[in-house]
Amino acid sequence: DAGITQSPRHKVTETGTPVTLRCHQTENHRYMYWYRQDPGHGLRLIHYSYGVKDTDKGEVSDGYSVSRSKTEDFLLTLESATSSQTSVYFCAISESGGQGHSPLHFGNGTRLTVT
Amino acid sequence: AQSVSQHNHHVILSEAASLELGCNYSYGGTVNLFWYVQYPGQHLQLLLKYFSGDPLVKGIKGFEAEFIKSKFSFNLRKPSVQWSDTAEYFCAVLSYNTDKLIFGTGTRLQVFP
Repeated sequence: DAGITQSPRHKVTETGTPVTLRCHQTENHRYMYWYRQDPGHGLRLIHYSYGVKDTDKGEVSDGYSVSRSKTEDFLLTLESATSSQTSVYFCAISESGGQGHSPLHFGNGTRLTVT
Repeated sequence: AQSVSQHNHHVILSEAASLELGCNYSYGGTVNLFWYVQYPGQHLQLLLKYFSGDPLVKGIKGFEAEFIKSKFSFNLRKPSVQWSDTAEYFCAVLSYNTDKLIFGTGTRLQVFP
């Protein structure tokens, strides 16, 4: 398995509080992604990064921000958590993005519950 | 915007039956295509991928998929399923120009002994 660690693995938080999820990789891959998985919706891309300090929005970026200050870490922040953000969050990494031939490898996920 | 459609939401089969899961995408440019599998309680794992060349690609565990460019399709097949294939299967498209991997909504496969 690719060296991807997500933390925390589980979190329960209250509506309106800020939450930060961390993805840490040991593969030195350039591309990192945050997805959320919800029943009936599959996986939806929140934000992704194509290098240190280089990020872009995905399909469902509202209410989320990201930061990547070094290659190995990609942080996802829910600035003011809402119940609609209750989900399982997956981080993924890729060596070459769309123009290369390497697939994405996924972490084990973070289950977030907003009460 | 690119999108991926998986028309089979839930498939129930008996062991040894043949499997075909549909996947269609909408994007006119160059794409890379993937099937991922998620076993219960686990993260996504790569099943197979298509980048170029032979449109029939073989993956792990006896799965294969055929890329038909004219139909924008990338259907997953397995001649004889096993109980251990019970999982959720996701088709995904990685656009050459945007670096975004977009997933379909998934197909839940249940295989009964």
